[in-house]
Amino acid sequence: DTAVSQTPKYLVTQMGNDKSIKCEQNLGHDTMYWYKQDSKKFLKIMFSYNNKELIINETVPNRFSPKSPDKAHLNLHINSLELGDSAVYFCASGQGTYEQYFGPGTRLTVT
Amino acid sequence: GIQVEQSPPDLILQEGANSTLRCNFSDSVNNLQWFHQNPWGQLINLFYIPSGTKQNGRLSATTVATERYSLLYISSSQTTDSGVYFCAVDRGNQGGKLIFGQGTELSVKP
Repeated sequence: DTAVSQTPKYLVTQMGNDKSIKCEQNLGHDTMYWYKQDSKKFLKIMFSYNNKELIINETVPNRFSPKSPDKAHLNLHINSLELGDSAVYFCASGQGTYEQYFGPGTRLTVT
Repeated sequence: GIQVEQSPPDLILQEGANSTLRCNFSDSVNNLQWFHQNPWGQLINLFYIPSGTKQNGRLSATTVATERYSLLYISSSQTTDSGVYFCAVDRGNQGGKLIFGQGTELSVKP
């Protein structure tokens, strides 16, 4: 039973394309997150949703748009992909300030 | 914002050796977690430890919240312990977002 799952695991695409990453959690948590890990392995929060409501929106370009159809799902859509968007994107879920659980990550490569 | 610093940045051990990784943070926190990112990129939860001491097999962690640091102990290291160890904190008033340290890259040689 995978607690937090993401699809796809790998995504290779060309500059200018639009792509989506999907995330689902079966832990019953109210809050879901997107984190970005850059080439130096630094992890940084991008967005957070609580019960389908956006509560954290860090300084992320408008080309990134999260969507939460229900509290178990949080998707990330990226428009007009750029070379600098290449990274590993992690979805996570948590309850309050308690432990967060991370998905397996999606490695995005923009060529 | 809160700063999280981990040391050392890199560590090479011989199998069977013990090690201590440190995480310093600049403000009070409600949540502190240790993660292991394995060579396949997966982030594995090791400890949720905003204060106190916990043990799980060969690993243990201690957080001294009043002095703003946490330690992760690895005893009798194995090659499978290799990877990057991250400390991450949450102040409790910012929607639960975790602020990560830069990590300690551990390599355990057979």
